[in-house]
Amino acid sequence: AQTVTQSQPEMSVQEAETVTLSCTYDTSESDYYLFWYKQPPSRQMILVIRQEAYKQQNATENRFSVNFQKAAKSFSLKISDSQLGDAAMYFCAYKHGSSNTGKLIFGQGTTLQVKP
Amino acid sequence: DTAVSQTPKYLVTQMGNDKSIKCEQNLGHDTMYWYKQDSKKFLKIMFSYNNKELIINETVPNRFSPKSPDKAHLNLHINSLELGDSAVYFCASSQGAGGPTQYFGPGTRLTVL
Repeated sequence: AQTVTQSQPEMSVQEAETVTLSCTYDTSESDYYLFWYKQPPSRQMILVIRQEAYKQQNATENRFSVNFQKAAKSFSLKISDSQLGDAAMYFCAYKHGSSNTGKLIFGQGTTLQVKP
Repeated sequence: DTAVSQTPKYLVTQMGNDKSIKCEQNLGHDTMYWYKQDSKKFLKIMFSYNNKELIINETVPNRFSPKSPDKAHLNLHINSLELGDSAVYFCASSQGAGGPTQYFGPGTRLTVL
């Protein structure tokens, strides 16, 4: 069974600095997607970034980028120029690529604090 | 325009009651989901529907019964509520179960007293 692990329950970063959130996963599949979702205090689940396993290039969305290491099954999120609005809980998630169920498997989450 | 909406956003009720949560999406997606986020913030899928047909039931007690009247709606009915049902319930949708991205509703915080 696939699993997703986030080993950092909490992280903090100074405003304007860079922070990296870690995620590892376990799967025997070769076709899958990985995601980072952000959950601010409003509790809305917001998609931050998506990575297709078949793509070697790391995904980037403005200040957010990932370091996807397929062999190591590692998928970290880097937030550059951190802003106060980045403070939230971040979830790493996995989905089998050709899933006929669409099931997302989530990690435990990392709470990010941004200090002014 | 809200893409995935849920009602109500908050629900407080007594043990033993029956309650429903409604979900609607206007994205034209054909697959919808219910996820449960427990008190430790852990998210887990409960149900998945594709074209109004159930495709996942993740060992959820049969007190929980999803109903999909059409592709744009997926409701969750809970019978005989228990204290352990207190959680945040999220609805989500995607284009096909194989669709790469799921879009989430705002969540419904259910509190059982």
